[in-house]
Amino acid sequence: DAGVTQSPTHLIKTRGQHVTLRCSPISGHKSVSWYQQVLGQGPQFIFQYYEKEERGRGNFPDRFSARQFPNYSSELNVNALLLGDSALYLCASSLGSARNNEQFFGPGTRLTVL
Amino acid sequence: GNSVTQMEGPVTLSEEAFLTINCTYTATGYPSLFWYVQYPGEGLQLLLKATKADDKGSNKGFEATYRKETTSFHLEKGSVQVSDSAVYFCALRRRDDKIIFGKGTRLHILP
Repeated sequence: DAGVTQSPTHLIKTRGQHVTLRCSPISGHKSVSWYQQVLGQGPQFIFQYYEKEERGRGNFPDRFSARQFPNYSSELNVNALLLGDSALYLCASSLGSARNNEQFFGPGTRLTVL
Repeated sequence: GNSVTQMEGPVTLSEEAFLTINCTYTATGYPSLFWYVQYPGEGLQLLLKATKADDKGSNKGFEATYRKETTSFHLEKGSVQVSDSAVYFCALRRRDDKIIFGKGTRLHILP
């Protein structure tokens, strides 16, 4: 079975632009979470979606938004890009929202903002 | 609040050496604890986990014990290999299912 997939793998944007990152969860998984990993740091939680509804949001500005589609895939959107948004963006999927559901991570999308 | 503190790297060891990477946490309640590994160019992989006090997680020769009294979850391996070179993240999962990660420890194993 395919794992969590993310696209694109790499992306280069300039300040002020907008970006959309995509994630396809493992088949059968209904929950998707997004994390930002700045170079040299651990991943930081951005959003969690379950059954197309937002279940949690981390400490990120309103420039960051996300949504989940009926097929449980998800998009992360970032508007008005800043240099500090350069990072590896990780998507993780899990079966549901129960505490003991393991999160499986994708390979990430590396975003560079110039 | 919830936080995870792990030893800073890089940690450089010779093959077959004993490994310890320290991790301590602060949390309300009793979170689940995890170690994730990130190999070069790859995403995060769950290495091991423990869900309650005194549980020992183990996988691929790595072990970590959930110590409530010292709020620690130190990662150990008796004999490391070159293939263990990676970045290791200690993490906890809050009641609301969010995962809080430490900053990561880069491990270099020399042949």
